[in-house]
Amino acid sequence: SQQGEEDPQALSIQEGENATMNCSYKTSINNLQWYRQNSGRGLVHLILIRSNEREKHSGRLRVTLDTSKKSSSLLITASRAADTASYFCATDLPYGNNRLAFGKGNQVVVIP
Amino acid sequence: EPEVTQTPSHQVTQMGQEVILHCVPISNHLYFYWYRQILGQKVEFLVSFYNNEISEKSEIFDDQFSVERPDGSNFTLKIRSTKLEDSAMYFCASSSDAAGGKTQYFGPGTRLLVL
Repeated sequence: SQQGEEDPQALSIQEGENATMNCSYKTSINNLQWYRQNSGRGLVHLILIRSNEREKHSGRLRVTLDTSKKSSSLLITASRAADTASYFCATDLPYGNNRLAFGKGNQVVVIP
Repeated sequence: EPEVTQTPSHQVTQMGQEVILHCVPISNHLYFYWYRQILGQKVEFLVSFYNNEISEKSEIFDDQFSVERPDGSNFTLKIRSTKLEDSAMYFCASSSDAAGGKTQYFGPGTRLLVL
């Protein structure tokens, strides 16, 4: 079954630096979404990119999608301590199936 | 801004007991979902619900699980006889549509501990 999977890296960066994390998946998708989860809390939706889009911006977030490589990246620019969280990508399938398949998550720590 | 709410935030139960987790989806949404996240693991899809019936369920969602929309606002997940391995964070989500890239909005979760 298809699933989003992030590169299993934990990032530790200084405030003000950029953070980049990646996600790969196995089958065709309809959309790819990125979520943030603060420790032990709920999932906060960040951004959705459709399969026919290549790049999308939202505030300090930039998401790219390469369907030929079945991969996506999330860039957070000018990071802040409040960006410390786990970041997940989630994909859904193109044939009307609306379940989301989540990756394992990237832990990002922003040091003030 | 509208949000999905879930109660309780934490629940501790004995193995074999029934639990009901409560969710209030965003009011104009039509599609409802349950996911779970075992500690340290991925978020996993359990079930989706539309028009008062299950539209899809995963292999995790066996006969011990059921969902219900008892009124116009609540959406519940029932586990009939809990097992130790049911211990997890359970997330409810809702979306306005299933097609066209509609975002699923998640609630804060209910942390279930089965002893």
